Amino acid sequence: DVKVTQSSRYLVKRTGEKVFLECVQDMDHENMFWYRQDPGLGLRLIYFSYDVKMKEKGDIPEGYSVSREKKERFSLILESASTNQTSMYLCASSPKTGGPETQYFGPGTRLLVL
Amino acid sequence: EDQVTQSPEALRLQEGESSSLNCSYTVSGLRGLFWYRQDPGKGPEFLFTLYSAGEEKEKERLKATLTKKESFLHITAPKPEDSATYLCAVQESGYSSASKIIFGSGTRLSIRP
Repeated sequence: DVKVTQSSRYLVKRTGEKVFLECVQDMDHENMFWYRQDPGLGLRLIYFSYDVKMKEKGDIPEGYSVSREKKERFSLILESASTNQTSMYLCASSPKTGGPETQYFGPGTRLLVL
Repeated sequence: EDQVTQSPEALRLQEGESSSLNCSYTVSGLRGLFWYRQDPGKGPEFLFTLYSAGEEKEKERLKATLTKKESFLHITAPKPEDSATYLCAVQESGYSSASKIIFGSGTRLSIRP
């Protein structure tokens, strides 16, 4: 059974804290993605990575950074958390040449920034 | 500007009461339209891809159809286990990577026994 796992289901942080969200996939996929999902706005792409140490900005990268040191692991970093980063964060992975129909999503991390 | 709009935002049906969800889109050229199901506390799960107007795909009680401006997800005789949020997404022609898709905000479907 293929899996994308995320380190936390729920997270509560204070404004200004540095936050790490971790995602691990066991399918040997080259591509990994971070989205945020907000009511009324749908899923929006923050960053994606197509290989180890490679990354590209998505539609809303401001306030975020990412790290991909190993193929199976993709981390999203909030350098200084702000209340407007309260959201559901979803990680996904797909094969190198795979389209949207080949994406597998993790269960999400619901982040609350106070 | 490319856009995907889903309606209604929420839909409550009685078990067995058929209905349709709408996804209207604006892109300069369509490579594909995608439907997903998302259960509470889970990530989206892929259901269908539609590539051209007139195309239809079916899976159990769900049937997706596509025109040049919109897609419908028809639910026939739904059961409580069909309760979920249904997401629509489009990909513009010229792109194949999953990094180039636009999601709608979803329709939250609730089926009462």
